[in-house]
Amino acid sequence: NAGVMQNPRHLVRRRGQEARLRCSPMKGHSHVYWYRQLPEEGLKFMVYLQKENIIDESGMPKERFSAEFPKEGPSILRIQQVVRGDSAAYFCASSPLPGLRTGNTIYFGEGSWLTVV
Amino acid sequence: QKEVEQNSGPLSVPEGAIASLNCTYSDRGSQSFFWYRQYSGKSPELIMFIYSNGDKEDGRFTAQLNKASQYVSLLIRDSQPSDSATYLCAVIRGGSQGNLIFGKGTKLSVKP
Repeated sequence: NAGVMQNPRHLVRRRGQEARLRCSPMKGHSHVYWYRQLPEEGLKFMVYLQKENIIDESGMPKERFSAEFPKEGPSILRIQQVVRGDSAAYFCASSPLPGLRTGNTIYFGEGSWLTVV
Repeated sequence: QKEVEQNSGPLSVPEGAIASLNCTYSDRGSQSFFWYRQYSGKSPELIMFIYSNGDKEDGRFTAQLNKASQYVSLLIRDSQPSDSATYLCAVIRGGSQGNLIFGKGTKLSVKP
């Protein structure tokens, strides 16, 4: 999983504040995925993005959450007005090919741990 | 029914034994199957992927896929204490954009 860079690694926010999590994919990868892992839970898909496009956001909560992957710069997962239930590990992953076709693999970053107090 | 189901464990095996991890999935159209290992507080690490029915071996790891039974497993031979981790099964649903759907994971403990 070397190469997918996430920051910050740890973030503490008070209820009602905004959290911004950044992800730079591996070199040569233009497909980014965000996953959330709640304590003692599995990884839940949130959103799949390509440069300047949201491909699949079926896992994103309807409110307060948004994601972007601009032409230049990292992908950003933004959580507005955070609540305690948003406390989780947020993992970004990238792949070199569209979606996950046979032979393609997905690489994870080290994660960003959000704590809402 | 959950899309991807795994026994949460913990599964405890002695050092040197074979650890067998199992996973079932509900979408018969699922195409690709992955096993990830996750140490506590760390990110998932890809161990193996399998697309075709049968066995696929890589070192001490063997993945087995049976699409008719909608079942995929991971065998770890000569288990080591360093294999102690949570093992996540993931699938790509047929017709999806390619995002992985994960099970909750099985916690494996290898006792020296």
